[in-house]
Amino acid sequence: SQQGEEDPQALSIQEGENATMNCSYKTSINNLQWYRQNSGRGLVHLILIRSNEREKHSGRLRVTLDTSKKSSSLLITASRAADTASYFCATETSNDYKLSFGAGTTVTVRA
Amino acid sequence: NAGVTQTPKFRVLKTGQSMTLLCAQDMNHEYMYWYRQDPGMGLRLIHYSVGEGTTAKGEVPDGYNVSRLKKQNFLLGLESAAPSQTSVYFCASSYFSDLNTEAFFGQGTRLTVV
Repeated sequence: SQQGEEDPQALSIQEGENATMNCSYKTSINNLQWYRQNSGRGLVHLILIRSNEREKHSGRLRVTLDTSKKSSSLLITASRAADTASYFCATETSNDYKLSFGAGTTVTVRA
Repeated sequence: NAGVTQTPKFRVLKTGQSMTLLCAQDMNHEYMYWYRQDPGMGLRLIHYSVGEGTTAKGEVPDGYNVSRLKKQNFLLGLESAAPSQTSVYFCASSYFSDLNTEAFFGQGTRLTVV
């Protein structure tokens, strides 16, 4: 089974609204990363949070990490049509440096 | 700056044929990864490498082999292709873990096995 699991699987919101998605993982990590994938394209890195950090911001993105619950959340504020994409969390595990991905959340932003 | 380049971009194979996918990166990254992406499954790690001459198994290694003879290249081989290996394959690379940096992805190889 995969290391990371995103929730929800799909999300549809109106332009201007906020989008929140969650990620849970199973084993000890060095860091957790979020990526975006537009349809048919490669993945693009959005933000990385280290295991000793609790919150991080980058533009309209806010990421939190709770290592005690083995979970993270990604918040996209004031969403735009261009934010329509699939979002994946990835964890780098502590013991073997694997970078493992979850199944992703598909976000649709309606104009 | 090319980043991560995958060759080929598309390929159709017959069952039982073999092929090699090439991943090349020009960023002097130590770590390289091969993933497959299937609908609804996200990315699953096939094999990865933490440096030249090293390889390790990921979540779904069966039916694939890899080699990292040069630091900049990571090859993924299918010895006897099966329809279950129809997928989109992504290669990625990153610096050492201690630097906590992100992975850079290629644009993918769409493989169909008939």
